[in-house]
Amino acid sequence: QVQLQQSGPGLVKPSQTLSVTCAISGDSVSSNTAAWNWIRQSPSRGLEWLGRTYYRSKWYYDYAFSVKSRMNINPDTSRNQFSLHLNSVTPEDTAVYYCARYVGVSPGFDYWGQGTLVTVSS
Amino acid sequence: QSALTQPASVSGSPGQSITISCTGTSSDIGSYNLVSWYQQHPGKAPKLIIQEVTKRPSGVSNRFSGSKSGNTASLTISGLQAEDESDYYCCSYAGPTTWVFGGGTKLTVL
Repeated sequence: QVQLQQSGPGLVKPSQTLSVTCAISGDSVSSNTAAWNWIRQSPSRGLEWLGRTYYRSKWYYDYAFSVKSRMNINPDTSRNQFSLHLNSVTPEDTAVYYCARYVGVSPGFDYWGQGTLVTVSS
Repeated sequence: QSALTQPASVSGSPGQSITISCTGTSSDIGSYNLVSWYQQHPGKAPKLIIQEVTKRPSGVSNRFSGSKSGNTASLTISGLQAEDESDYYCCSYAGPTTWVFGGGTKLTVL
């Protein structure tokens, strides 16, 4: 059974960097069949796909156009986890952030983390 | 504003059937059979209930079914039960390497 456990601070100041980590159990961050995604949810923007990383002999990264210049995803094979880093945040980035798995052979975000509410405020 | 359009709310009585529509464009729903649907209870993460337009993941009730016509996908829930009261979201691949979601539909079981 795949489980995704998120961790990270709930409050970030404007202009700083938002970081959330997703620890994976029951699968591997370097799986050849899965992609590891970040999705956020806010009342103003709804559900918004932010980006993903996946390993197919090398690491690949894709980011949504809206956050491409500010976002990085870092896989950590030693800890079997991946992290979201979003810099230069504003109050508009206040949201619940989710990590989620996507498997190409059975398309859909099939496993989700519990969500991390991050508030951007001074 | 979400990329896919869903009705804000729908309602039905126990035992009835309801359908939730999800309207996109020829660049997303109309181009790919990669529409998925999610059920989300308050304070919880979304749960995948339909993938690839019509397929149910293991463990999902056969009361849930999906379809697509042109740029519009639909989720039908038959034999409504009180436990189906929840928010429902559609999602589509919109290429290249982008996924878009609907704004969500609140289902009330009367």
